[in-house]
Amino acid sequence: EDQVTQSPEALRLQEGESSSLNCSYTVSGLRGLFWYRQDPGKGPEFLFTLYSAGEEKEKERLKATLTKKESFLHITAPKPEDSATYLCAVRTDKLIFGTGTRLQVFP
Amino acid sequence: EAGVAQSPRYKIIEKRQSVAFWCNPISGHATLYWYQQILGQGPKLLIQFQNNGVVDDSQLPKDRFSAERLKGVDSTLKIQPAKLEDSAVYLCASSLERVGLGTQYFGPGTRLLVL
Repeated sequence: EDQVTQSPEALRLQEGESSSLNCSYTVSGLRGLFWYRQDPGKGPEFLFTLYSAGEEKEKERLKATLTKKESFLHITAPKPEDSATYLCAVRTDKLIFGTGTRLQVFP
Repeated sequence: EAGVAQSPRYKIIEKRQSVAFWCNPISGHATLYWYQQILGQGPKLLIQFQNNGVVDDSQLPKDRFSAERLKGVDSTLKIQPAKLEDSAVYLCASSLERVGLGTQYFGPGTRLLVL
């Protein structure tokens, strides 16, 4: 059965304290891995798509990487406005989401 | 470019009542998806349309849920009758490419509370 697991469930960081979020997956026929950001009361906002092992994408303080079994979302020197839930999703014939990591960055 | 629009944003009903949600995708997007997101979980796909045809509704509880996409643009999702466990956020998404390809862009969701 296709499965996506995100860890940790919740993460509290001080402003400027870099860290990484993990997304591990077991799927057959991976056709892309997606990262989304979701703020309270809003729909998921697209961040990155990764297609093959070794691929990396960057946007401001965020960097996503992909291996054959997992993806990492690295957050460098986070700011309070980075506080959100980060969702990972893998695509087979449909998008399968993980349960997300709730990130809180406090000043 | 306007994003995915959904209405209403919030809905409170009693169990056994019916409810309908509306979605207008990004202009030109052929593929439309409905997801259910229960509090603390990731979105779960309910149904996906390619233009006005259903591609996958394997996870849609068809005894109470129905969806249509007339003319290949707007879509409605209906629940009749609602149960307590249907309390969730219902998200609509669209993508430019055909099903299975492309990035999905999400609307703000409709928050449903069933009492």
